[in-house]
Amino acid sequence: EVQLVESGGGLVKPGGSLRLSCAASGFTFSNAWMSWVRQAPGKGLEWVGRIKSKTDGGTTDYAAPVKGRFTISRDDSKNTLYLQMNSLKTEDTAVYYCTTFRAYCTNGVCLEYFQHWGQGTLVTVSS
Amino acid sequence: SSELTQDPAVSVALGQTVRITCQGDSLRSYYASWYQQKPGQAPVLVIYGKNNRPSGIPDRFSGSSSGNTASLTITGAQAEDEADYYCNSRDSSGNPSYVFGTGTKVTVL
Repeated sequence: EVQLVESGGGLVKPGGSLRLSCAASGFTFSNAWMSWVRQAPGKGLEWVGRIKSKTDGGTTDYAAPVKGRFTISRDDSKNTLYLQMNSLKTEDTAVYYCTTFRAYCTNGVCLEYFQHWGQGTLVTVSS
Repeated sequence: SSELTQDPAVSVALGQTVRITCQGDSLRSYYASWYQQKPGQAPVLVIYGKNNRPSGIPDRFSGSSSGNTASLTITGAQAEDEADYYCNSRDSSGNPSYVFGTGTKVTVL
């Protein structure tokens, strides 16, 4: 059974930093592309960023609102995904979800989707 | 970037059929995926690609697409289907950036 368990959320002041972790189990983490998605209180879902597997280059992509402030990394030896958040703003307040991300092409059709989700961790940015 | 627009709320009588739509330019080029989110819970993938259901998702959930509109249909809605539903696709720019729809609250009467 796939399990994704986020941790590291909490209260931080504007301008501060926080690092989230996501412990993965039940699948071959090193082969997986991973992503972070957030949800502000009472609002919809927002994609934060993605990291490919090392065999696929290990590159990262970010949403415009977090680019240059957030960094996604992975430690395949620990089956753990990270989200380093710097220069936090009040609008970064949200539940942050760790997800597996599937991307593949078959029969000329390319599919991309967020397959498994963790339960999320709440980040509150407030003075 | 691009936007994916959904109706804010729809209601359906128990056992009846409801269709949730998602509109956006990116859907002309990319398939949508659909996520169900119940209060206080994480989202769950229900449909991806043309019409694919992950293991464990009931076959009353189906997906379709035409032009700039993707649809999620629940045929024979059950009380447990009451939830928020979000569509998602890659941004229409083609860059690896992903956008979620505005969300639809489904109420089962």
